[in-house]
Amino acid sequence: GAVVSQHPSWVICKSGTSVKIECRSLDFQATTMFWYRQFPKQSLMLMATSNEGSKATYEQGVEKDKFLINHASLTLSTLTVTSAHPEDSSFYICSARDISRETQYFGPGTRLLVL
Amino acid sequence: DAKTTQPNSMESNEEEPVHLPCNHSTISGTDYIHWYRQLPSQGPEYVIHGLTSNVNNRMASLAIAEDRKSSTLILHRATLRDAAVYYCILRTRTGSQGNLIFGKGTKLSVKP
Repeated sequence: GAVVSQHPSWVICKSGTSVKIECRSLDFQATTMFWYRQFPKQSLMLMATSNEGSKATYEQGVEKDKFLINHASLTLSTLTVTSAHPEDSSFYICSARDISRETQYFGPGTRLLVL
Repeated sequence: DAKTTQPNSMESNEEEPVHLPCNHSTISGTDYIHWYRQLPSQGPEYVIHGLTSNVNNRMASLAIAEDRKSSTLILHRATLRDAAVYYCILRTRTGSQGNLIFGKGTKLSVKP
């Protein structure tokens, strides 16, 4: 199957700092990428949808100024958690849609711990 | 996207078939049925998807009811590595639209 990578796989940071997470589609072009968040023992929650070259669309309740998304190319999207706080600690998962196969593939996730 | 209903959990014995049900009574004609699974501390993994006809791949089979209001994911021989949360999701095939919205899924336990 298609491969989506995320970097870093885990990160620990101090409260107030910013953290950038990269998401790459390795063997297909993804015009649309998605960012999800998952808290312990809960399901994935969609945060935002990004289309290459345009602004991301955020789900209700997700602060666009706090979670900056950049989808600069057909294979790369980044999520920056700005001024992170302990409540932002979570498992962040990106996903990319392979238009040619009508299938969406997920990255391995990034575990963020804010102290 | 239309809603799906799945049992919270199921148990299976290793090397036995597993049938994971999903109800989607409000499915529309343009909704595809997608199945993903998530192993602990990993991102979801694509399993299979279909529209009207039953589908088979190397991982599983998808049986879709004639009225499309329910479907069943079939793992032919469960292994310990199949223990995961399985999500049944409807997505409208509308090009760039139609996000995958996850429900609570079914947590499958496999006993040796």
